[in-house]
Amino acid sequence: NAGVTQTPKFRVLKTGQSMTLLCAQDMNHEYMYWYRQDPGMGLRLIHYSVGEGTTAKGEVPDGYNVSRLKKQNFLLGLESAAPSQTSVYFCASSTPGGYGYTFGSGTRLTVV
Amino acid sequence: KNQVEQSPQSLIILEGKNCTLQCNYTVSPFSNLRWYKQDTGRGPVSLTIMTFSENTKSNGRYTATLDADTKQSSLHITASQLSDSASYICVVRANQAGTALIFGKGTTLSVSS
Repeated sequence: NAGVTQTPKFRVLKTGQSMTLLCAQDMNHEYMYWYRQDPGMGLRLIHYSVGEGTTAKGEVPDGYNVSRLKKQNFLLGLESAAPSQTSVYFCASSTPGGYGYTFGSGTRLTVV
Repeated sequence: KNQVEQSPQSLIILEGKNCTLQCNYTVSPFSNLRWYKQDTGRGPVSLTIMTFSENTKSNGRYTATLDADTKQSSLHITASQLSDSASYICVVRANQAGTALIFGKGTTLSVSS
């Protein structure tokens, strides 16, 4: 039972490059989330999804896009990476009531 | 604005000692409060979840308290171990549809031998 799996675990991008982070959960959770964690700051919500085919903006959505084509997967895309997007990205999933909230192990992204 | 504030920012204690971490929040309407432990390089892992009517909840050597009137919570760690070295994050969920969690910045605990 893997829970929430994020790929890749590490990535280095050059400014202007694009990439997609993949999040997969096997708990049949309706809700999925993407957060970023920066030094000295709490986790901040980028985008979230309350079900297959639906997405919504969080606190810091600029520069990111997401898609939820399948219930178990939530993709985070960076179309044109910037150094300000250097961060650790966490995916999470939960039930609609917010219970069973489970985080992935994170993706460390560096944009140079 | 919904906010969660934690203190202290960092703490160093000797193995075997007890410690208490603090959390104050201004989240409304309140749904529940959670404490997470985050080891270096890992995702946060839930320790406790408390609703409005719960004053205390334990998980092994971890005991969380909640005072919903003063909007304060604490996490007490008993007989600390080296493996307790981590960041402890207080998180509050607002009672709103589709709303995710509001995170504090965390308290970094270092347990030394």
